[in-house]
Amino acid sequence: DAKTTQPTSMDCAEGRAANLPCNHSTISGNEYVYWYRQIHSQGPQYIIHGLKNNETNEMASLIITEDRKSSTLILPHATLRDTAVYYCIVRVRNGGSNYQLIWGAGTKLIIKP
Amino acid sequence: SAVISQKPSRDICQRGTSLTIQCQVDSQVTMMFWYRQQPGQSLTLIATANQGSEATYESGFVIDKFPISRPNLTFSTLTVSNMSPEDSSIYLCSVEYRLGLNTEAFFGQGTRLTVV
Repeated sequence: DAKTTQPTSMDCAEGRAANLPCNHSTISGNEYVYWYRQIHSQGPQYIIHGLKNNETNEMASLIITEDRKSSTLILPHATLRDTAVYYCIVRVRNGGSNYQLIWGAGTKLIIKP
Repeated sequence: SAVISQKPSRDICQRGTSLTIQCQVDSQVTMMFWYRQQPGQSLTLIATANQGSEATYESGFVIDKFPISRPNLTFSTLTVSNMSPEDSSIYLCSVEYRLGLNTEAFFGQGTRLTVV
């Protein structure tokens, strides 16, 4: 069962920041939050992940609330090529030292010129 | 990073037949994963394939329907057996790299299967 909930779709103007929310209220203390995106007809692409602290890389920033029950992915200057489905994912332990990614339903982000 | 090649990229198959999907990775990896993505849906893990052992299947997926091979550390196959239209999906191969507590997964482009 999915451990995350996301809005089904969002629009954002080109050049503006795109803020994608995700709720993961049942997340456990050692479970990471991952974000992937999937551009049409391609395999998913890694964006960023985090546990407690906010994270930033060349693609995006991840803001995680102090209680870890929700997070926001921020694309600082969205371009048309950022149009994709964005998945918020929780990585859970799956026995021993194995982990499994539990995928949410995803948010379809449409960047408009 | 990893480069993952899947074959075929797409296929249209008759019901009752079987299709084997190949996944080739450009480096050695311990764990390979097979996912299914039904039309308009998110990804669902089918099984984890470790080299030298039987694949581990998730709830709702069985070996008779989705037999998996993992002959070496760079290659795996997934067979969709006795296909029906409900098997029409994108099937994705994935590998994971771990660095400490961090894990990053890489995906192939997927195999788009249509069963008629």
